Amino acid sequence: EDKVVQSPLSLVVHEGDTVTLNCSYEVTNFRSLLWYKQEKKAPTFLFMLTSSGIEKKSGRLSSILDKKELFSILNITATQTGDSAIYLCAISEGGNEKLTFGTGTRLTIIP
Amino acid sequence: KAGVTQTPRYLIKTRGQQVTLSCSPISGHRSVSWYQQTPGQGLQFLFEYFSETQRNKGNFPGRFSGRQFSNSRSEMNVSTLELGDSALYLCASSLGLGTSYGYTFGSGTRLTVV
Repeated sequence: EDKVVQSPLSLVVHEGDTVTLNCSYEVTNFRSLLWYKQEKKAPTFLFMLTSSGIEKKSGRLSSILDKKELFSILNITATQTGDSAIYLCAISEGGNEKLTFGTGTRLTIIP
Repeated sequence: KAGVTQTPRYLIKTRGQQVTLSCSPISGHRSVSWYQQTPGQGLQFLFEYFSETQRNKGNFPGRFSGRQFSNSRSEMNVSTLELGDSALYLCASSLGLGTSYGYTFGSGTRLTVV
């Protein structure tokens, strides 16, 4: 059965710190890995990664995929209180719209 | 453009009752997927509809069902509610091209079963 594991489950840091969130996976027909941010209810899309070693960046957030070791990391530099959220990692399999999610990392930024 | 609209936002039901949740996708999106989110299990895939047909189904009992209308709006039904069905139910719409790219989630329906 496909599996997505995120770590840590929760993280509390001070504003300005840098954080690294981890996502490892086991899937039979990998197509892409996606990161989402969930603040209240609706998860919002951050990144989609399909190729190993190519970093995606958006402002203070960046992410990279390692398809050989089956994991991805999401980095957030110079964290702000608005970064407090649950960060979700999901795997997309070939040929369908289904996403398999990890349980998420709850990030709390203390001012 | 308007986002994904889910109604109602909140629901409280009694064990044994049934419930219907609604999802209106972004205009032009033909695929609607449903997920159940609970603190212990995270987001779990329920099913996906495309052009009024169920294309994919997760590992949920037959009490969970859905349908999609010709305007791409989708409904999800849960019969004989159990306490464990209490969760946030999210739907996501997309063009349905099989890439999962461009998934947009609604704000969800919070269902509480008492």
